Amino acid sequence: NAGVTQTPKFQVLKTGQSMTLQCAQDMNHEYMSWYRQDPGMGLRLIHYSVGAGITDQGEVPNGYNVSRSTTEDFPLRLLSAAPSQTSVYFCASSYSMPTSGNTIYFGEGSWLTVV
Amino acid sequence: AQSVTQLGSHVSVSEGALVLLRCNYSSSVPPYLFWYVQYPNQGLQLLLKYTSAATLVKGINGFEAEFKKSETSFHLTKPSAHMSDAAEYFCAVLNLSGGYQKVTFGTGTKLQVIP
Repeated sequence: NAGVTQTPKFQVLKTGQSMTLQCAQDMNHEYMSWYRQDPGMGLRLIHYSVGAGITDQGEVPNGYNVSRSTTEDFPLRLLSAAPSQTSVYFCASSYSMPTSGNTIYFGEGSWLTVV
Repeated sequence: AQSVTQLGSHVSVSEGALVLLRCNYSSSVPPYLFWYVQYPNQGLQLLLKYTSAATLVKGINGFEAEFKKSETSFHLTKPSAHMSDAAEYFCAVLNLSGGYQKVTFGTGTKLQVIP
């Protein structure tokens, strides 16, 4: 049981390039999400998914695209990287139903620098 | 929507001293509240969660938090700080929006433990 696995851990991109951050979980969780973490701003929700084929926008969706073709995988795509997207990205998963106290499991993060 | 406010972006304590990290929430309904810890270059790990079962919640590593409705607070405490407690701590609230769960994080508090 690996939990939530993110790749790559570190990436440097040039402005305008595109890339995909991969996220996979092996806990059969329906709910998956992507956050970005910036100093002094905490974690902000980019996109989330409540199951295969269903995605929705979070607080800061612009410049990012997601899809959910399987329960296990939830990739995050940067369409045309900008320096403002330099950040640490976290993928997370949990059971989807809003029952009390669902634990959210986080990946170890992906450090992205756009130059 | 529910939100949390963490007072103090940096807190320093001496080893062996009391740790107190403050979190206030805004919610029109009984909230689900969490504390997460993030060690350097790692993802977030759940410390404890409040789900209305008990107002005093005990978590891992000797931490606990007390839910006080009258003060809209959920402060994190530990009687005696260890060097290993140095990390960033995030308070979070579970938002239930349209049957889907979204977690809103505070901006974080970095805890420094001085030998």
